[in-house]
Amino acid sequence: RKEVEQDPGPFNVPEGATVAFNCTYSNSASQSFFWYRQDCRKEPKLLMSVYSSGNEDGRFTAQLNRASQYISLLIRDSKLSDSATYLCVVNSGNKLVFGAGTILRVKS
Amino acid sequence: DAGVIQSPRHEVTEMGQEVTLRCKPISGHNSLFWYRQTMMRGLELLIYFNNNVPIDDSGMPEDRFSAKMPNASFSTLKIQPSEPRDSAVYFCASSFPGTGSGYTFGSGTRLTVV
Repeated sequence: RKEVEQDPGPFNVPEGATVAFNCTYSNSASQSFFWYRQDCRKEPKLLMSVYSSGNEDGRFTAQLNRASQYISLLIRDSKLSDSATYLCVVNSGNKLVFGAGTILRVKS
Repeated sequence: DAGVIQSPRHEVTEMGQEVTLRCKPISGHNSLFWYRQTMMRGLELLIYFNNNVPIDDSGMPEDRFSAKMPNASFSTLKIQPSEPRDSAVYFCASSFPGTGSGYTFGSGTRLTVV
């Protein structure tokens, strides 16, 4: 079983839609959680950290459920520019483990 | 802040040749990571350093791969001899100690071994 699992998608949504991604992780001792965004042929970039109480950054909301060991990312009012791969990231000991990513395509 | 700087951006080499990838981390970041990304396997951690010391190299695929960090501002990843299956994008990332602040990635080196 992979340490971090994500639905690869793709999620094809129209502009303005709300879309949610989930991710599960296997290490119950994990303490650091992030969502990264990766555009085609570019490096991964930090989108947001995920805090226990949930957190919001503009149109993006991240939530953590420690009991079920899953993390979610909600994107409201999707823009064409949101099209990318979203990577769920969790620490395992002293290093970060990246999920394989979920592809989002926002269409006009 | 110049970010994490990697060179070269692209490398095409023949099977059997030696390949050296270079990375300059962000100044002040004590941890440096080398990742490899392919369509099939996603992002894989190859090796990471804390304060220039290799901590975990369990992700290095085999003895053909080696990495060094002679000082806080420079690291290399060497493949000798290279094989077609080494073709991938190699990313370097750096961070402050620990995992709480996430990693900053360089632009990557796209390696093609023919």
